[in-house]
Amino acid sequence: AQKVTQAQTEISVVEKEDVTLDCVYETRDTTYYLFWYKQPPSGELVFLIRRNSFDEQNEISGRYSWNFQKSTSSFNFTITASQVVDSAVYFCALSRGGTASKLTFGTGTRLQVTL
Amino acid sequence: NAGVTQTPKFQVLKTGQSMTLQCAQDMNHEYMSWYRQDPGMGLRLIHYSVGAGITDQGEVPNGYNVSRSTTEDFPLRLLSAAPSQTSVYFCASSPGPDYGYTFGSGTRLTVV
Repeated sequence: AQKVTQAQTEISVVEKEDVTLDCVYETRDTTYYLFWYKQPPSGELVFLIRRNSFDEQNEISGRYSWNFQKSTSSFNFTITASQVVDSAVYFCALSRGGTASKLTFGTGTRLQVTL
Repeated sequence: NAGVTQTPKFQVLKTGQSMTLQCAQDMNHEYMSWYRQDPGMGLRLIHYSVGAGITDQGEVPNGYNVSRSTTEDFPLRLLSAAPSQTSVYFCASSPGPDYGYTFGSGTRLTVV
C-alpha cells in the first residue's frame, strides 16, 4: 500500500521568510512518481512539479525548490523569500510507475504568509 | 483552451436524490479521474478511466457510477445521495501514465 504523510498541518510565516514543507512517502515500488500541487483559497488545484523515482536531482524553479531523498523517502518543498501570494494548501502526492491514474495524496499543509 | 471543465460548481441535494456531475476536457487526454476532497483527508480517488470505454474503481467508489463513452467526457453519477457524500469533487485528466494531472475547478456538493 502507498502512503503520503504531510505531518505539518499548518505553517505561518512572515513574508520574505523561507519555509520548507515536508513530505514523507511509503511505497514498495521501485518505479514511482512524486508530485506537488498547490490549492490557493480560490480552490483550484495547480500542478507544481513531477519527479520520478530514478531522478534524485534537486529542482529549482524561481523561488521554489524541491529536495528528493530516496534514502529517507522524502520529497520536501522549499519556498524562498515567501510572499503573501504563496498562501495556500500544498499537497504532496504519489503514484506508481505506469499507473498515474491513481494518485495517493497527503492530507496537505496549509501555509499562511503574512505581512 | 478550456482545460478541464466541471459543472455545476455548486449543488445542494436532498438525501436519496440522484444527479450527475459533469466533466469535460479538450486536451485529448486519455486518462481521467474523479477525486473527492474532505477536510483533513486530502483527496481520495473515486473512479478513474484510462481511455474511452475503460473505467475502474478507486479508493472510495461506493455510491458512485461512471462511464466513459468519449475521450472528452467523464461524468460521475450519484445514485442515491447520502449526507456522507457531502464533499468537494474534482475531475482531473492526464495525457498518459507518469504525467501530471490537470484538475478542474471542482464541484461543491452538499447533501441534506
